[in-house]
Amino acid sequence: QKEVEQNSGPLSVPEGAIASLNCTYSDRGSQSFFWYRQYSGKSPELIMSIYSNGDKEDGRFTAQLNKASQYVSLLIRDSQPSDSATYLCAPIGGDYKLSFGAGTTVTVRA
Amino acid sequence: KAGVTQTPRYLIKTRGQQVTLSCSPISGHRSVSWYQQTPGQGLQFLFEYFSETQRNKGNFPGRFSGRQFSNSRSEMNVSTLELGDSALYLCASSLTGGGTEAFFGQGTRLTVV
Repeated sequence: QKEVEQNSGPLSVPEGAIASLNCTYSDRGSQSFFWYRQYSGKSPELIMSIYSNGDKEDGRFTAQLNKASQYVSLLIRDSQPSDSATYLCAPIGGDYKLSFGAGTTVTVRA
Repeated sequence: KAGVTQTPRYLIKTRGQQVTLSCSPISGHRSVSWYQQTPGQGLQFLFEYFSETQRNKGNFPGRFSGRQFSNSRSEMNVSTLELGDSALYLCASSLTGGGTEAFFGQGTRLTVV
């Protein structure tokens, strides 16, 4: 079983719609969770961090965390073509290592 | 505030050679982590340095090594290069590592021929 699993893509959404990205992790010692966005040929860019159960909103992005279910998600509201990228889920495990999922590629259709 | 700086941006090396990559973290950040990214394997953790000490290590062969200097700058070395070492090498800096936010440099694209 992979340490971090993300919903397989690619995920294609129309402009203005909500993109929903899911991630499950295996290390119950994980306390910190990050979402990175990576454009093709670029390095990952941190877009959200979440540490407590519940929701955290930042602009058009909402991260949701449920530690009991070992689940974290990212919602992108009012999706724009500029949101087309690969989104990486990255929990920090109990060993303090940042692990990455394989990523979900999102394409926003104009 | 300057971001994470990696040099060089691109490298072409021959099998059997060695290579050294450099990473200058964000000012004040003391933790530097290195990752290898390939299309097939995604982002894989190599190692983390904090205050000049290797604090964590991934599952890579001993050909991959690193170090950190007193100013927090870090270098990664790969000896006896193999074709499979061709990848994007990324470093990420954070204040203290652990649960703190990590910011990536632009990466070094290494091609082994």
